[in-house]
Amino acid sequence: GAVVSQHPSRVICKSGTSVKIECRSLDFQATTMFWYRQFPKQSLMLMATSNEGSKATYEQGVEKDKFLINHASLTLSTLTVTSAHPEDSSFYICSARTAVSYEQYFGPGTRLTVT
Amino acid sequence: DAKTTQPPSMDCAEGRAANLPCNHSTISGNEYVYWYRQIHSQGPQYIIHGLKNNETNEMASLIITEDRKSSTLILPHATLRDTAVYYCIVRESGNKLVFGAGTILRVKS
Repeated sequence: GAVVSQHPSRVICKSGTSVKIECRSLDFQATTMFWYRQFPKQSLMLMATSNEGSKATYEQGVEKDKFLINHASLTLSTLTVTSAHPEDSSFYICSARTAVSYEQYFGPGTRLTVT
Repeated sequence: DAKTTQPPSMDCAEGRAANLPCNHSTISGNEYVYWYRQIHSQGPQYIIHGLKNNETNEMASLIITEDRKSSTLILPHATLRDTAVYYCIVRESGNKLVFGAGTILRVKS
């Protein structure tokens, strides 16, 4: 089956620093990748959609200059949280979709803690 | 906005069937019904999806009413490892998945 990995699984960073999260599709080409955020006891909230080689499309209320998304290849997308603050602490989950089946496959998530 | 309504939580005895309902009264003709689940601190896991007909796979069965306004996910023999949040999502093929609140299923021994 389709496998999506994320790295790191957990990260702790200091307030004001930036942190990069990688999302890889291991056995398929992902023409579209999605980034979600999930706060404790809440559902997943879509942050942005990115198509390979194009700029990401951000959902309303998500700051594009704070959450930088790069989707430079068909197997890799990165989310960089710039100038992180404690309120950015959350569970970040990526998802990848093929152009063939349109099914979405999810990564295991990255737990970000900003101190 | 999520287009589905699910009960916030349900309990099920281990070994019994778990029947999770979902209302999607505004579903359009080309929208599919998808079910995902999320075990604590993990990414969502695909379970099953359907358009009109009932579907079955190794994990579960999906029963969709004839008018397609509601559906039921059936886990035939629930185990403790099935404890999770279950999300019912409707979407057109190719569109993004938008998650609602889901149903917390607690399987108890």
